[in-house]
This record gives sequence, C-alpha cells and structure tokens, in this order.
Amino acid sequence: DAKTTQPPSMDCAEGRAANLPCNHSTISGNEYVYWYRQIHSQGPQYIIHGLKNNETNEMASLIITEDRKSSTLILPHATLRDTAVYYCIVSTNAGGTSYGKLTFGQGTILTVHP
Amino acid sequence: DADVTQTPRNRITKTGKRIMLECSQTKGHDRMYWYRQDPGLGLRLIYYSFDVKDINKGEISDGYSVSRQAQAKFSLSLESAIPNQTALYFCATSGRGRYGYTFGSGTRLTVV
Repeated sequence: DAKTTQPPSMDCAEGRAANLPCNHSTISGNEYVYWYRQIHSQGPQYIIHGLKNNETNEMASLIITEDRKSSTLILPHATLRDTAVYYCIVSTNAGGTSYGKLTFGQGTILTVHP
Repeated sequence: DADVTQTPRNRITKTGKRIMLECSQTKGHDRMYWYRQDPGLGLRLIYYSFDVKDINKGEISDGYSVSRQAQAKFSLSLESAIPNQTALYFCATSGRGRYGYTFGSGTRLTVV
C-alpha cells in the first residue's frame, strides 16, 4: 500500500473550516484514499473515502487532486468535538472483494479552539 | 448496543499469564481484525480473518493467537503475557463494500 505524509498537528478555530492535507505521491491506480479519526483513545471512526472524484457526506468533504498524489479532508464547520487524530490511509478496496489492509501512520492531531 | 463489542474494557494481568480478549459484532460482516496501538503510535495489525475458516497473520503476530468461533466472534489470546504487550487493543470488522472498517471501543491491557 502507498505511504502517506500528513502534518503532525494543526489548529482550527471553532466554526471555521478545517482543511487537513495528505500527500500520497506513490498511490496506485486501484488504491482508494480513506480518512479515519480517533478521538482520545477511542476506536478509529471512518469518515470518508474516495478514488478519483471529490466526495462529500454528512461528516466531511474529500478533495482529491487530478493526479491523485494528494488530497484534503475538509470539515466545513469544525466544533470542539472534532478535536482528534486524523488518519489518511491509501488502500486497495478495504472491505471490498479483495483484501485491503489499512496501515495507520501517525496522523494529524487536529485541535479545535473555542 | 455497539456494533462491535470488546471485552474486557480494561485488564491488568501478570507476566506469564494467559489472557483472552474477546470481540463480537452485530454488523453481519465477514471480516474481522485485531490491531494494537502503543502510545503515540498508529495502529498495527496483529491478525485478520476473512471468514470462520480463514485466519491470517498480520505484521506483528508473534506472541499472539486468535480464534474465530463464529462469524460474529473473534478472540485474541496472549498465551504468556509479557510487559511489552501492554497496549490498547482494537477489534474491527469490514463488509463486502467500500465503506471502511468499524472499530470497537478498545481493550486497555496492562501486563505487570
């Protein structure tokens, strides 16, 4: 699976958009970009995933560059409860018909301030 | 009730003891996984199972064993616990879609 690079930490003001970047320059054509978050030693929580197109759900938006070498997770209106470690992972179809191992790196610690 | 339930939530055990961590799920997923997390680090895969008859080692399986008793149950055993197995352990499941994994709340294990 391709490796990812994320900044170790970021800050964001409550109510503002949080934009978390991720570089995955060695991503393969069949690898998806997944985002998870972990709030204070709880189990990681799935946020969103994408292959080529931008994606949006009730939690966040995912913007993937055209060359797929980087992506940005956007939390449109960050709240204090969004303070967590955010993991960007690239994997082949995790949970799908072929095995896709999730390899967790260090992630980005996002701190949302009042 | 949680989709993925881990028991116990916390456990302190002595070096050399055998201990079992249990995981059950109500999501109907075929695939189950055990991860461990050490302070300040990401999660590392211990074992994974695609179905009851299929069990595979992950990247750090030494010192651990697993049992898939049923589709919904996947247990992790430490045959002879050692202090460097002190960690936070997570069970996860995934289904035949592309919607990622569902994790349990974790078991905090301390080996003294």
